[in-house]
Amino acid sequence: EDQVTQSPEALRLQEGESSSLNCSYTVSGLRGLFWYRQDPGKGPEFLFTLYSAGEEKEKERLKATLTKKESFLHITAPKPEDSATYLCAGHYGGSQGNLIFGKGTKLSVKP
Amino acid sequence: EPEVTQTPSHQVTQMGQEVILRCVPISNHLYFYWYRQILGQKVEFLVSFYNNEISEKSEIFDDQFSVERPDGSNFTLKIRSTKLEDSAMYFCASSERFFRTANEKLFFGSGTQLSVL
Repeated sequence: EDQVTQSPEALRLQEGESSSLNCSYTVSGLRGLFWYRQDPGKGPEFLFTLYSAGEEKEKERLKATLTKKESFLHITAPKPEDSATYLCAGHYGGSQGNLIFGKGTKLSVKP
Repeated sequence: EPEVTQTPSHQVTQMGQEVILRCVPISNHLYFYWYRQILGQKVEFLVSFYNNEISEKSEIFDDQFSVERPDGSNFTLKIRSTKLEDSAMYFCASSERFFRTANEKLFFGSGTQLSVL
């Protein structure tokens, strides 16, 4: 069973159309929840780390939130340059830097 | 902003050949990692490295893989005898501290695309 599951796999939005990406995770042992952005052919670019339920972090049009069983990445009034694959990853207790990644949500924002 | 740099960006090799992928982590970082991503699949952890020792390795990181910090700036991944299934994007990453503290960040390089023919 996957420890980190993202939905939807792909999302198409019109410019300015706000939406949310979901990341469900195995609760047991989670120490931190990471969000990354990945452009084609590039490495993951760090966005946020969340550690406790109720925590929220913002960066420009992105806001990440964490509940006891899932995390959301809210995108407000997206622009075409927000098009990318967004990755969620969990860090579980006892591991030495081993992040468990989800498959990602591929976001396309059309002008 | 400081970056993790990787060379080469693309590497083509014949099956059975040895390859060395190179990385320069962010200068004040102490923890180093290799991940890989097979086309269309998840990013997967290979190994973490601290204080000149492997801290953790995944099942993927078998005896054909090795890591080394040959000097004060470089971090390398060696694959001794490449297989077709080793074809993937290999990412180096580094962090200032181990993930015990809040607001820890893991920074990735742009990757080396390895193609085994």
